[in-house]
Amino acid sequence: NAGVTQTPKFQVLKTGQSMTLQCAQDMNHNSMYWYRQDPGMGLRLIYYSASEGTTDKGEVPNGYNVSRLNKREFSLRLESAAPSQTSVYFCASSDQGALPNIQYFGAGTRLSVL
Amino acid sequence: AQKITQTQPGMFVQEKEAVTLDCTYDTSDPSYGLFWYKQPSSGEMIFLIYQGSYDQQNATEGRYSLNFQKARKSANLVISASQLGDSAMYFCAMRPFNSGGSNYKLTFGKGTLLTVNP
Repeated sequence: NAGVTQTPKFQVLKTGQSMTLQCAQDMNHNSMYWYRQDPGMGLRLIYYSASEGTTDKGEVPNGYNVSRLNKREFSLRLESAAPSQTSVYFCASSDQGALPNIQYFGAGTRLSVL
Repeated sequence: AQKITQTQPGMFVQEKEAVTLDCTYDTSDPSYGLFWYKQPSSGEMIFLIYQGSYDQQNATEGRYSLNFQKARKSANLVISASQLGDSAMYFCAMRPFNSGGSNYKLTFGKGTLLTVNP
């Protein structure tokens, strides 16, 4: 009963390096999301995928790309990491088929960009 | 646009007492949902309780209840009989229920850090 699984849990990058954050859900949800959490702030939406085959920008998409690989998996890519991208990243999923479409979150990835 | 305000950066409560965490919101959408999440020190985000704008009764989930006052645009979380394990950051969030793209976005407040003292 894993729910939403994120890998890795921790990562340290140097400025300019690239990496991909992986997310998989086993709840058969059709919508998936990537958020970032910065100190003193709530979560902010980076990108979301309403359904398999679609992706859309959220509130803070600059510097990121996403791929909805299949219904289960939604990855977030940093092509050239910057110190401003140091944050905790959360993946979430929800069943948009019926209200209230509760979003369930993974455990987070703590990323430091030096 | 939606906005969530949590005015209490930190709260303290004695074990076994009740505590209320405040949340006010602003939206122009006629239909929306309000959510509370718990984030313990381990970092994960745990869904606690949901209230729909159209619900006549306040939501309850075990020791959690939501004091929903639509006219005042407030959705306060009440935790009864606090336990040491309730010590965590608590986030209020909302999202509109409409057919547009904003339907997918949860807007979060900045959170309230609750400390339960023995």
